[in-house]
This record gives sequence, structure tokens and C-alpha cells, in this order.
Amino acid sequence: GQQVMQIPQYQHVQEGEDFTTYCNSSTTLSNIQWYKQRPGGHPVFLIQLVKSGEVKKQKRLTFQFGEAKKNSSLHITATQTTDVGTYFCAGWGNTPLVFGKGTRLSVIA
Amino acid sequence: DAGVTQSPTHLIKTRGQQVTLRCSPKSGHDTVSWYQQALGQGPQFIFQYYEEEERQRGNFPDRFSGHQFPNYSSELNVNALLLGDSALYLCASSLVGEPQHFGDGTRLSIL
Repeated sequence: GQQVMQIPQYQHVQEGEDFTTYCNSSTTLSNIQWYKQRPGGHPVFLIQLVKSGEVKKQKRLTFQFGEAKKNSSLHITATQTTDVGTYFCAGWGNTPLVFGKGTRLSVIA
Repeated sequence: DAGVTQSPTHLIKTRGQQVTLRCSPKSGHDTVSWYQQALGQGPQFIFQYYEEEERQRGNFPDRFSGHQFPNYSSELNVNALLLGDSALYLCASSLVGEPQHFGDGTRLSIL
């Protein structure tokens, strides 16, 4: 079945450093979504990418969808302590929404 | 405007028992999806309900069943509980094709 893999599993950064998480699917996706889950919280929708090669920005966050629609990335510029949490990608392909295992981001002040 | 509400917040059961979890969708939403999130893992799709019917189902056994009511609220039932069913169960609501809004979840512990 469809698999969605995320790397790295954990990332520790100093406040102000940049952060990137990568998402790869075993199959072509119709769209990809990104969520953030704070410790003890629930996933919160961040963005959805649909088009091949699409790039979207939300303040310090930049999301990309690969040309082949099989990979995606989330880049955070100048991390802040409020960015702490686990970032999940989730893809729609030939199966219902499949989540990656997430990248847990820690920010050291 | 209330978001997605789930009850109960925590539940402890023993192996072999049955459990029912409840979800009220965000106002205006007609689609409800259920997910299982084990510790340190991403949410896994269980099934989705729309117009009181199961529209899609993930790779979960028949012990997992659900229902959607005319007011769009939903229940998740799990029979013959196993230790491996211990997890956070998340409900998400949406309009078809729109982003999902998650509830805070029900944390189910099986002893």
C-alpha cells in the first residue's frame, strides 16, 4: 500500500536557525497536506498543495510540492520557540489520507 | 462557534471489552473521519462518514465500526479490545474537499 516517509524523525535547533523536514511518498499523490501537532495537542491543518512544483509561503514557513508529486518539504526560517511541535505531512493518493510519522522539532532558546 | 468536540477525553478498559467514542463535528461540517494515533506515530485513517454512510475505510479490522447520525455527529465502536488498541483516537470534521479540523481526541488505555 501507499507509504509516506518523513525525515528527519527528530530535529533540535537553536532559536533563530532554519529547519527543514522532507516527505516522500511511494506513489504519486493527488495532493499533500501539512499539519502541526503541539505536545499533548491535536493536529492542526497548515496548508494543502495540489499542483506539481507548487510553492506556498506562510510568513516564515515555505512549503514545496515536487514536480513528480511524490515528495514535499516544509522549511521554517529563523525558528522561534513557538515553532516547537511535530510536523506531519499527509498525502492523498490511491488510498485515503496517509500520514507520515512526523518530524519532532525542538527549539533551544 | 464550537470546534470539533470528542468525548470522553480519557478512558480505561480491559482486554475483550467494547468501547464507544463520540464526536460532534464543527458547526457546518458534514463529513467526519476517525483516526488512530499510537504514541510517537502519525494518525492512521480508520474510516470516513458522509451522509450517514461509511465512504472510505482504512486498513482496520471489522472490530472497528462506526456510525453517523442525521445531525452529523458520529460514533466509533471498537469490540473485543486488544492491548494494541491503546492509542489516541482523533475525530476530524470537514466539508467535502475542504481542510479537516481535528478534535482533542480520546485517549484510550487498555489494561
